[in-house]
Amino acid sequence: GAGVSQSPSNKVTEKGKDVELRCDPISGHTALYWYRQRLGQGLEFLIYFQGNSAPDKSGLPSDRFSAERTGESVSTLTIQRTQQEDSAVYLCASSSSGGPYEQYFGPGTRLTVT
Amino acid sequence: GQNIDQPTEMTATEGAIVQINCTYQTSGFNGLFWYQQHAGEAPTFLSYNVLDGLEEKGRFSSFLSRSKGYSYLLLKELQMKDSASYLCAVRDGGRGSTLGRLYFGRGTQLTVWP
Repeated sequence: GAGVSQSPSNKVTEKGKDVELRCDPISGHTALYWYRQRLGQGLEFLIYFQGNSAPDKSGLPSDRFSAERTGESVSTLTIQRTQQEDSAVYLCASSSSGGPYEQYFGPGTRLTVT
Repeated sequence: GQNIDQPTEMTATEGAIVQINCTYQTSGFNGLFWYQQHAGEAPTFLSYNVLDGLEEKGRFSSFLSRSKGYSYLLLKELQMKDSASYLCAVRDGGRGSTLGRLYFGRGTQLTVWP
């Protein structure tokens, strides 16, 4: 079916506001990942969901960041009280439960905190 | 900790062959991935190695030596469209039923000149 989709594609917000980013994984993919990519930098792991297992939250940079996933479908990444250093592209990826489990990435959400 | 190293930049001319190296030190190993990322776009999957040796896929090949913690991506018959960032990523061993998260290098920016 369709690939990974993310919304919004761009978000400009004022410092201190909360934002919510959405990811729709490929149907049937059991694993879902969130990454952050600052300009000119590599991918920074944030959080990983796998089926009914407890999520791996080890990459979340602070308690202002949280993420939820409904079953094996939509996930939302919430950033509270945004700071300028949160400005980045937030990428979501999903992978299946078969094969090499390569991750398929969505187009990302570009977040700008002013 | 986890450490993935790859060169920051490389240049080559059209029609040439280029080899992008990646060395890694991770607490566990469950596969090595190469991704291509064009500017402003999401990463796309190129190759996967879990056993030692060479995997060939068209103009792209990827090699893995687990004992040396080393991989390379070989691009043949370079084309202008190959100008992109190439990301090396290692998956750790996972826990129980989980697949394991990916640790990404910072990427190698390849520029192909006419």
